[in-house]
Amino acid sequence: EVQLVESGGGLVQPGGSLRLSCAASGFNFSDYWMHWVRQAPGKGLVWVSRIKSDGTTTTYADSVKGRFTISRDNAKNILHLQMRSLRAEDTAVYYCARARVTYYYGLDVWGQGTTVTVSS
Amino acid sequence: QSVLTQPPSASGTPGQRVTISCSGSTSNIEGNFVYWYQQLPGTAPKLLVYKNNQRPSGVPDRFSGSKSGTSASLAISGLRSEDEADYYCAAWDDSLSGCVFGSGTKVTVL
Repeated sequence: EVQLVESGGGLVQPGGSLRLSCAASGFNFSDYWMHWVRQAPGKGLVWVSRIKSDGTTTTYADSVKGRFTISRDNAKNILHLQMRSLRAEDTAVYYCARARVTYYYGLDVWGQGTTVTVSS
Repeated sequence: QSVLTQPPSASGTPGQRVTISCSGSTSNIEGNFVYWYQQLPGTAPKLLVYKNNQRPSGVPDRFSGSKSGTSASLAISGLRSEDEADYYCAAWDDSLSGCVFGSGTKVTVL
């Protein structure tokens, strides 16, 4: 079964750090671009970052640039999002998602999400 | 404020056709593919349409996408109770060098 499972969310103080992980299974992880998308409570979807299949290219939303780092370990089939200097507005459910080439990079598989709460 | 603009809500009775609009600009919708996602309450989003008007396998043909210039739309025909969800358009934005989502439209089946 094709699956993405996020972990690492939790409560963190403003200015703190957190590392999210996304474990992939059921497909050849190293063939796919991967994304992080977040959703604040009661709000819409917001794209956060993406990484190329081989990890050589990364892109970030302006709101997280310089604070978040996306990375991947293709040997372990894991995607990461290192988050630093966290702010209250980073509070959200964070989803990892797979971009499928045959769907012109539409995000066809999503994890269940992990919740990040930034509060003192 | 989202780069892509959608109406906050849409509704219809079972069997009706509902259309959701998505307004963007030359840097996103006009020059790039549009995607649509469905998010049922309490669940992760699901890809509904890719490349403006193509459906992934398993998505019913009741869902159809279209694009013209800087706007796109998603039509749901033969509306069913299980279509009650939030719907989001998305596209790559060349100016922002990032993906942008619409503000989302909540569809209610009356």
